[in-house]
Amino acid sequence: EAGVTQFPSHSVIEKGQTVTLRCDPISGHDNLYWYRRVMGKEIKFLLHFVKESKQDESGMPNNRFLAERTGGTYSTLKVQPAELEDSGVYFCASSTPKTSGANTGELFFGEGSRLTVL
Amino acid sequence: AQSVSQHNHHVILSEAASLELGCNYSYGGTVNLFWYVQYPGQHLQLLLKYFSGDPLVKGIKGFEAEFIKSKFSFNLRKPSVQWSDTAEYFCAVNVYNDMRFGAGTRLTVKP
Repeated sequence: EAGVTQFPSHSVIEKGQTVTLRCDPISGHDNLYWYRRVMGKEIKFLLHFVKESKQDESGMPNNRFLAERTGGTYSTLKVQPAELEDSGVYFCASSTPKTSGANTGELFFGEGSRLTVL
Repeated sequence: AQSVSQHNHHVILSEAASLELGCNYSYGGTVNLFWYVQYPGQHLQLLLKYFSGDPLVKGIKGFEAEFIKSKFSFNLRKPSVQWSDTAEYFCAVNVYNDMRFGAGTRLTVKP
């Protein structure tokens, strides 16, 4: 079974440019999460989708960040325009619904997309 | 939302030393608790988890963690570390599909 995949693995852009990160969750996982880790700091929650709906987007830093999950499958996270402080590793994770008997609360992570804003 | 505190930012040990990494969380209800590990150049992966039952849980590679409800703690332990345990360790708390992480503890094991 394929795991969570993220693309690109590393993106280097200049301040003011736009970047779109993509996440493909494990098939059948309704929950999809975006997290960010700025170097040396905590893994910070950004937002949580349940299928195509935003369950919680309280962690989104500002309106330069836009996340979508059309059709409830893959998700994109767009940063426009990028600022220096947006640099970090963006992790995507997925899980089965909590109400499901198969759910263990465990999140399965992708390898992350490293964003460097110059 | 719940929060997670990891007290040690960087721990340096020699091989065969014992390890204990602290984790405390703030949430009064039922929680699921996790430790994730990220080895250099790899993605985050699950080390162990607690949902219910025996508060002492065993994970991969000889790690274990003890859930102490009265202390809101879920400390990670290993009796004898190896060089290959060098990694970053993250404690996490899941409350009804809402997963939050601690700041992580970097473990360096000297050969």
